[in-house]
Amino acid sequence: KAGVTQTPRYLIKTRGQQVTLSCSPISGHRSVSWYQQTPGQGLQFLFEYFSETQRNKGNFPGRFSGRQFSNSRSEMNVSTLELGDSALYLCASSPPETGGNTIYFGEGSWLTVV
Amino acid sequence: AQKITQTQPGMFVQEKEAVTLDCTYDTSDPSYGLFWYKQPSSGEMIFLIYQGSYDQQNATEGRYSLNFQKARKSANLVISASQLGDSAMYFCAMREQGAQKLVFGQGTRLTINP
Repeated sequence: KAGVTQTPRYLIKTRGQQVTLSCSPISGHRSVSWYQQTPGQGLQFLFEYFSETQRNKGNFPGRFSGRQFSNSRSEMNVSTLELGDSALYLCASSPPETGGNTIYFGEGSWLTVV
Repeated sequence: AQKITQTQPGMFVQEKEAVTLDCTYDTSDPSYGLFWYKQPSSGEMIFLIYQGSYDQQNATEGRYSLNFQKARKSANLVISASQLGDSAMYFCAMREQGAQKLVFGQGTRLTINP
């Protein structure tokens, strides 16, 4: 059974540009959530999608957005990139039932903004 | 608000010794889940073990066990017979009922010495 797949794994962008990151959850998982990890702030929740609907959102500016498709794949977008957006972006998926005890992460996308 | 505290920024342990990583939490929700993840330098968050707030027994998964003390709000991870491959960052996280959002601690960097 394939795990959570994130693409691209590494990317370098310039300030002011935008970036789109992709996440394919484990087959059968309908909940996808995104996290940002930086040395200074640690791991912070960005948002969660379930059945194409955003269920929860973290405390991030509107430059950070996401969506989920009917096949449960998800994308997140960051517009007008800032140097502080350099981070590891992690995607997690979990099974359909709520209160599940399994939340699996992908390998992450390393974003560097220069 | 939920909070996870990991008080050990770094730990150094001899190979084959047991190691305990500390985690305390704070929540007003009576139903919650506690997770431990391992993060090697590659960035992937590897799920290790889960403990539900209503679980009567401490969770175990192979060499990993969770010492759950509900009254003290602690959920320490115990790794028995440590191996060189256990060297990594370890994160404790909490999820509230009905949500797939995780709140993470700051992590503990574990180094296993030969």
